[in-house]
Amino acid sequence: DIQMTQSPSSLSASVGDRVTITCRASQTINMYLNWYQQKPGEAPKLLIYAASTLQSGVPSRFSGSGSGTDFTLTISSLQPEDFATYFCQQSYSNPTWTFGQGTKVESK
Amino acid sequence: EVQLVESGGGLVQPGGSLRLSCAASGFTFSRFWMHWVRQGPGKGLVWVSTINSDGRTTNYADSVKGRFTISRDDAKNTLYLHMDSLRADDTAVYYCARDVRALGVMSYFHPWGQGTLVTVSS
Repeated sequence: DIQMTQSPSSLSASVGDRVTITCRASQTINMYLNWYQQKPGEAPKLLIYAASTLQSGVPSRFSGSGSGTDFTLTISSLQPEDFATYFCQQSYSNPTWTFGQGTKVESK
Repeated sequence: EVQLVESGGGLVQPGGSLRLSCAASGFTFSRFWMHWVRQGPGKGLVWVSTINSDGRTTNYADSVKGRFTISRDDAKNTLYLHMDSLRADDTAVYYCARDVRALGVMSYFHPWGQGTLVTVSS
């Protein structure tokens, strides 16, 4: 099974900060990597698919990069509505899927 | 608008059964693979099960294999998850999600339903 490890598990940041979250796969997954945002009490929302493609309607301050085993989600300038938990997901091992454990972005 | 609405959650005793439903609208349901994903209290997301577009192929996480059954009724635009032999560690919010393919092969989940809570407790 492919394991996905996110770091950090949580971070504290201020509005306007540049925030970077990493996701590492236990084996190569090419670019089969997606990012989701989840706010408390809400369903996850797709941000980025195929490692770097921004989902329609998602602000351009979000970006994704990486391939192989190492991936990054970057928020260029954190906004108040971005405080949430972020999950990566691999789809390389389709028809099974694995999520990272999540990274909680909190207000400093 | 593409929409998924889950129902059927509730409180069930250990060893009991429950059937979840996911009503789809705003897209041609029969053309898409569909998924169930769950999230335990304060925990992360865990993929549970998948069904392909014609309903003939299903896959399950090892933790639910042999106890859960995914199915679909394209005439009713509805996805189901029948859960048997429920255990305390099945307690979670259960989400349904549509599978979308980038470049025909790169799968991602979009959108997700709002979730339905299943609590397994005596």
